[in-house]
Amino acid sequence: KAGVTQTPRYLIKTRGQQVTLSCSPISGHRSVSWYQQTPGQGLQFLFEYFSETQRNKGNFPGRFSGRQFSNSRSEMNVSTLELGDSALYLCASSPGYTGWTGELFFGEGSRLTVL
Amino acid sequence: DQQVKQNSPSLSVQEGRISILNCDYTNSMFDYFLWYKKYPAEGPTFLISISSIKDKNEDGRFTVFLNKSAKHLSLHIVPSQPGDSAVYFCAARYSGGYQKVTFGTGTKLQVIP
Repeated sequence: KAGVTQTPRYLIKTRGQQVTLSCSPISGHRSVSWYQQTPGQGLQFLFEYFSETQRNKGNFPGRFSGRQFSNSRSEMNVSTLELGDSALYLCASSPGYTGWTGELFFGEGSRLTVL
Repeated sequence: DQQVKQNSPSLSVQEGRISILNCDYTNSMFDYFLWYKKYPAEGPTFLISISSIKDKNEDGRFTVFLNKSAKHLSLHIVPSQPGDSAVYFCAARYSGGYQKVTFGTGTKLQVIP
């Protein structure tokens, strides 16, 4: 069973630009969550999608947005990039069923550097 | 507001000894607690979990203890092996909160051969 795939793995942008990151979940998984990892801050929850609907949202500004497609693939977008957006962006999938106990399956992440 | 806290950013342990990683939380609405392990250049992987109605869960060399009154959990690794060297994240799931899992800031464990 293929794991969670994130593209691109690495990218460099300049301030003010925008970026789109992509995530393909494990086949059959309907929930996709996004996290931002920065040194000293751990994994900060961005948002979670299920069946093309955003169900949960973290405490990030509106420059961070996402969407999910009918095949469960997800994208996140960051507009008007700032230096502080430099981070590892992790996508995680899960089955999405009631009774799920918290196990997430992560991709390897997209490393974004903003210059 | 960091609802899951790991106050030790790093820990060094000799091979064969016990590693104890600690985690504190503030939200009483968490119903499952999990530990994830992360190697450099890889995504986190699930290690072990515990329900809020239990106080201990064991899986091989890994044991998680939960003290609800103190809002504290710990991960014990016995015996520690060099391959255990990684960053360990404590995480918690909201009860009824769909698929939202909150993570701590991580503890970097180094097991010295």
